[in-house]
Amino acid sequence: DGGITQSPKYLFRKEGQNVTLSCEQNLNHDAMYWYRQDPGQGLRLIYYSQIVNDFQKGDIAEGYSVSREKKESFPLTVTSAQKNPTAFYLCASSTWGYYGYTFGSGTRLTVV
Amino acid sequence: RKEVEQDPGPFNVPEGATVAFNCTYSNSASQSFFWYRQDCRKEPKLLMSVYSSGNEDGRFTAQLNRASQYISLLIRDSKLSDSATYLCVVNADNNAGNMLTFGGGTRLMVKP
Repeated sequence: DGGITQSPKYLFRKEGQNVTLSCEQNLNHDAMYWYRQDPGQGLRLIYYSQIVNDFQKGDIAEGYSVSREKKESFPLTVTSAQKNPTAFYLCASSTWGYYGYTFGSGTRLTVV
Repeated sequence: RKEVEQDPGPFNVPEGATVAFNCTYSNSASQSFFWYRQDCRKEPKLLMSVYSSGNEDGRFTAQLNRASQYISLLIRDSKLSDSATYLCVVNADNNAGNMLTFGGGTRLMVKP
């Protein structure tokens, strides 16, 4: 079955460390997105990519980096420059046109 | 003004009640509209698209009023399992049509 997979489900980071969250989709979707969600809050867009080898900053890109070397994959790195990284991170994908997004099951990141 | 505005709730209703959520959006050029459901600590999932003529899916009815830039979701005969946060989603004005803007969500709690 086609879908979008995020790993790991839970991730713990020490202060000053970079960590990379994985997002893989086999839906043949062109576009992929990363969102952050804090407890009781809405979704905030970090980065998005409409096509391979191209990506754009969202509303809260500072302290994050991404790459899009393959259509299926859109990893997110949370760098040490992100001062408050504890949050629920959601990856999504979509095809071109007026359709909705499909979300992965998310990664819960905690700084220890 | 937020691009997509929703009453955060919570809406506390008894089982069997009818409940309605409203949402307003600011971009008059928006072409596609959705309701997503998000359970606690889970990813958002597409509940239904919203069409100009209004549409129904079982106990759920969605309406769109383009003139007032207003979307609604009606849930009839509420079940305990309907307890969740409901996200109003509208596409942004980009050429690809696939950039979505999420409202902050309306929380519904259905009580026995």
